[in-house]
Amino acid sequence: GDSVTQMEGPVTLSEEAFLTINCTYTATGYPSLFWYVQYPGEGLQLLLKATKADDKGSNKGFEATYRKETTSFHLEKGSVQVSDSAVYFCALSGAAGGTSYGKLTFGQGTILTVHP
Amino acid sequence: NAGVTQTPKFQVLKTGQSMTLQCAQDMNHEYMSWYRQDPGMGLRLIHYSVGAGITDQGEVPNGYNVSRSTTEDFPLRLLSAAPSQTSVYFCASSYSGRIYEQYFGPGTRLTVT
Repeated sequence: GDSVTQMEGPVTLSEEAFLTINCTYTATGYPSLFWYVQYPGEGLQLLLKATKADDKGSNKGFEATYRKETTSFHLEKGSVQVSDSAVYFCALSGAAGGTSYGKLTFGQGTILTVHP
Repeated sequence: NAGVTQTPKFQVLKTGQSMTLQCAQDMNHEYMSWYRQDPGMGLRLIHYSVGAGITDQGEVPNGYNVSRSTTEDFPLRLLSAAPSQTSVYFCASSYSGRIYEQYFGPGTRLTVT
């Protein structure tokens, strides 16, 4: 079945550092890919998405590019802030016609802590 | 709009007890779902519903029941609680055509002793 693998955390950075959180996936066909963020004590929120190969999703300074050849969707931000401290989840929704179409499969989450 | 609301926020149960986690949304979303979040395992889908009167099983449905009598409400029932059900439970909703853009509730932290 479909699966998502994220880099192991936690990740600790200083403010203004560059962030990369790796995400790779296994799925048949062409799934849609997402990053969700969970701030302390809250539910998850959609951060960005990409629905086809080579698409770049972006929001709040975060970016991720859908790479079909490497089955990856790495999250990047050029300069992190303390307020970016959260748990980040990579997720996919299966391609139309597949058994996981319309369902979200999540990675295990990566805890990011940003220090001033 | 209140969005997605969940009650209670915290709950402690003894093994064998039953209870219902409540979930409601006021966005007229057709699609609703329940996830459990465990350390190092991300979120796993328990049950979901594509509309009133229609429910289906997700990845980890055993030990849980759901029903969807109205568009707004999607309660999750634990029939006989077990320590393995200790987890944080999230309810989410979305429009049917945008299932990837799910709105999550704040969660219920459940401990089973």
